[in-house]
Amino acid sequence: DTAVSQTPKYLVTQMGNDKSIKCEQNLGHDTMYWYKQDSKKFLKIMFSYNNKELIINETVPNRFSPKSPDKAHLNLHINSLELGDSAVYFCASSLFNEQFFGPGTRLTVL
Amino acid sequence: TQLLEQSPQFLSIQEGENLTVYCNSSSVFSSLQWYRQEPGEGPVLLVTVVTGGEVKKLKRLTFQFGDARKDSSLHITAAQPGDTGLYLCAGAEAGGTSYGKLTFGQGTILTVHP
Repeated sequence: DTAVSQTPKYLVTQMGNDKSIKCEQNLGHDTMYWYKQDSKKFLKIMFSYNNKELIINETVPNRFSPKSPDKAHLNLHINSLELGDSAVYFCASSLFNEQFFGPGTRLTVL
Repeated sequence: TQLLEQSPQFLSIQEGENLTVYCNSSSVFSSLQWYRQEPGEGPVLLVTVVTGGEVKKLKRLTFQFGDARKDSSLHITAAQPGDTGLYLCAGAEAGGTSYGKLTFGQGTILTVHP
């Protein structure tokens, strides 16, 4: 009965490839997020969706495209992967401001 | 853009010692949260403080929100090895249209040695 789940846990790929990360929450929350955590552990918001509608889009290259098919799912597709995209990506959901995070996807671009 | 300065960045102490982590900003936040993250996992919410001057206790952890709602501190009494982890503060913007947006501090990596 995992609250926020992400797949895959690890993703190793070559530069220039396209990859997707999936996220699902069973908490009934209206809002979902994607965060990027760099090698120095700094956590930065990328996107936020509320009831399938994009509400926060930080300064993120347009190679990153989120998609929310329903309010329980928020996927992240990344085109033309670059070395600098290597990081841990976290999905989260919230009812108010308190956020519940998934276990993260460690992306390594070679 | 709201910024949160968290200090110290690293803290290595012996079991039984006390410690304090600080989170400071020039901006006002509607609320401030503290999260703890263990290796290979996502951050887990410890506490939310909302009212200026508010103090919350969670066993050996004491959280305080500054009177002006610009800063916060986390104090751990008699630290134990199980307290080891990354501690993150996060502020929710006051007013504005950034729905649910949190600004995170840089984090404090705490290591408690037995």
